Amino acid sequence: AQKITQTQPGMFVQEKEAVTLDCTYDTSDQSYGLFWYKQPSSGEMIFLIYQGSYDEQNATEGRYSLNFQKARKSANLVISASQLGDSAMYFCAMREVGTGFQKLVFGTGTRLLVSP
Amino acid sequence: DADVTQTPRNRITKTGKRIMLECSQTKGHDRMYWYRQDPGLGLRLIYYSFDVKDINKGEISDGYSVSRQAQAKFSLSLESAIPNQTALYFCATSDFWGPQHFGDGTRLSIL
Repeated sequence: AQKITQTQPGMFVQEKEAVTLDCTYDTSDQSYGLFWYKQPSSGEMIFLIYQGSYDEQNATEGRYSLNFQKARKSANLVISASQLGDSAMYFCAMREVGTGFQKLVFGTGTRLLVSP
Repeated sequence: DADVTQTPRNRITKTGKRIMLECSQTKGHDRMYWYRQDPGLGLRLIYYSFDVKDINKGEISDGYSVSRQAQAKFSLSLESAIPNQTALYFCATSDFWGPQHFGDGTRLSIL
């Protein structure tokens, strides 16, 4: 079974608008972590934001926020005020304590295109 | 200088050749990882190491081997390369709690 599901292969957004990238996860662990990474066309993987399963507040990092809904097992990334430089692949990943702490399982990614 | 450095950045080679991809880090992290990225499949873990004496197989270790030469160095070898090992390879590092930090990747093409 898929541990991390990203159902949106591609998303389009206009510059300065907000966009939500979906991520659902599957785990029986109580302790886990959720991450979002950005991969520009140049190929590098850039860490964006982290949410721990026991964190009561949604994580925020600048224009990035993570909409964490534990009961629904979703961890959507919200990018506010999109910029042209946000065009990239975005990967959701999960770290489960039960499988060996710090092992990440990645989703298949969502390609975001920001238009002027 | 990059915190996590992968060499080479690009490599084209022939089937049956032995290939080594190298990774070094200056972040002082104990934990190092090798991933493979294929289009439509995301990143998949090949091997990981939690310290110099610890090596563990990931989900797709067949056809690969690794060596942790020092805390800062973790190399990935393909003993006899085959075309379906053509992919983008990433090295990553982390401490116990924090996120994984990735190198810029190695594009490997096997003809």
